[in-house]
Amino acid sequence: GAGVSQTPSNKVTEKGKYVELRCDPISGHTALYWYRQSLGQGPEFLIYFQGTGAADDSGLPNDRFFAVRPEGSVSTLKIQRTERGDSAVYLCASSKGTGGVTDTQYFGPGTRLTVL
Amino acid sequence: DQQVKQNSPSLSVQEGRISILNCDYTNSMFDYFLWYKKYPAEGPTFLISISSIKDKNEDGRFTVFLNKSAKHLSLHIVPSQPGDSAVYFCAASSKAAGNKLTFGGGTRVLVKP
Repeated sequence: GAGVSQTPSNKVTEKGKYVELRCDPISGHTALYWYRQSLGQGPEFLIYFQGTGAADDSGLPNDRFFAVRPEGSVSTLKIQRTERGDSAVYLCASSKGTGGVTDTQYFGPGTRLTVL
Repeated sequence: DQQVKQNSPSLSVQEGRISILNCDYTNSMFDYFLWYKKYPAEGPTFLISISSIKDKNEDGRFTVFLNKSAKHLSLHIVPSQPGDSAVYFCAASSKAAGNKLTFGGGTRVLVKP
């Protein structure tokens, strides 16, 4: 079946602009996660949705970052007033949402965001 | 502070030999550990995992060892194949912290034919 998809694959924007990154999870997966991977580092957790609600948003770096999942499927990560330091690959993952730590997360290919 | 560390940024190994990747963690609350593999321009793919109640888990050519007292885990790949060339990430999670994964910085593995 289809895996996690993310659009766009690449996004170049100017400092101060607003961007939206989209994630389509695996069909039937109720849990959805956003991570950010900076160059030369491992992915860092941003936010986790169980269904429509954000169960854990402790990784969002500041209030310029916001994510929604209004119908419990597709999610959008929104970044306001982008800064050069926001440049990174933004990864989305989904899982069945069984609630346990063994609930394997499947990742999409990521969106590479470049802020000029 | 990094709670999960992979101290070797790269590893080069001959085809057919063993690859050993290491990972250290500091948070004693972690109770589940995973290894992900990543090819360029793709997302990480799940490889193998281990619960803190075990010290070894094997899946084909891949074996993960966990030493809780040392807060150390390792991934063994044997025999290594050219298709194993990728970046490998160690990750950890805990029941207390929900499902979020804490990743190490990755180790780039190159398997030479």
